[in-house]
Amino acid sequence: NAGVTQTPKFQVLKTGQSMTLQCAQDMNHNSMYWYRQDPGMGLRLIYYSASEGTTDKGEVPNGYNVSRLNKREFSLRLESAAPSQTSVYFCASQWAFRQNQPQHFGDGTRLSIL
Amino acid sequence: GESVGLHLPTLSVQEGDNSIINCAYSNSASDYFIWYKQESGKGPQFIIDIRSNMDKRQGQRVTVLLNKTVKHLSLQIAATQPGDSAVYFCAENRLDSKLTFGKGITLSVRP
Repeated sequence: NAGVTQTPKFQVLKTGQSMTLQCAQDMNHNSMYWYRQDPGMGLRLIYYSASEGTTDKGEVPNGYNVSRLNKREFSLRLESAAPSQTSVYFCASQWAFRQNQPQHFGDGTRLSIL
Repeated sequence: GESVGLHLPTLSVQEGDNSIINCAYSNSASDYFIWYKQESGKGPQFIIDIRSNMDKRQGQRVTVLLNKTVKHLSLQIAATQPGDSAVYFCAENRLDSKLTFGKGITLSVRP
């Protein structure tokens, strides 16, 4: 089983460019999440989708948008990239929202904004 | 073995020793806790979890202890191996909120 798959693994953008980070899970999970990880900051929640058809803001949503394309896929879009968005982005999935079950993570997208 | 709090960035242990990694959580209403392991260039990997109605839970070579009185969580790794070298962090969850992650500590295993 692949679990949670993220593409691309690495990306370099110029300030102002846009791009979409892709995430897909094959565990039939209902909930999906996008985090960013910065040195010394831990994982911070950007957006989440409690179930197919719903999305909500997390702790640091500014500058991002998301789409829950179907039950398997949850994408993160940067409309106009800024250097402050240089980070490692992780997608995670969970059987159900607000349930005592672990989230399972992909291996991340390393994004640099010049 | 050695113990350390998550405010210290690195724990160095000798191969074969036991490791103890500690975490102080913030919310007394948290009812579910998880330990994750993150290797370089990889995403966080689930190790073990524990619910607030338990004090201890054991897995393969790992044990998690929960002390709700002092809001303290620890991860014990028996017979630490080189493959255990990674960043470890705890996460806490309340049913009315989402997972909150600690900043992590680096475990370094000396051969």
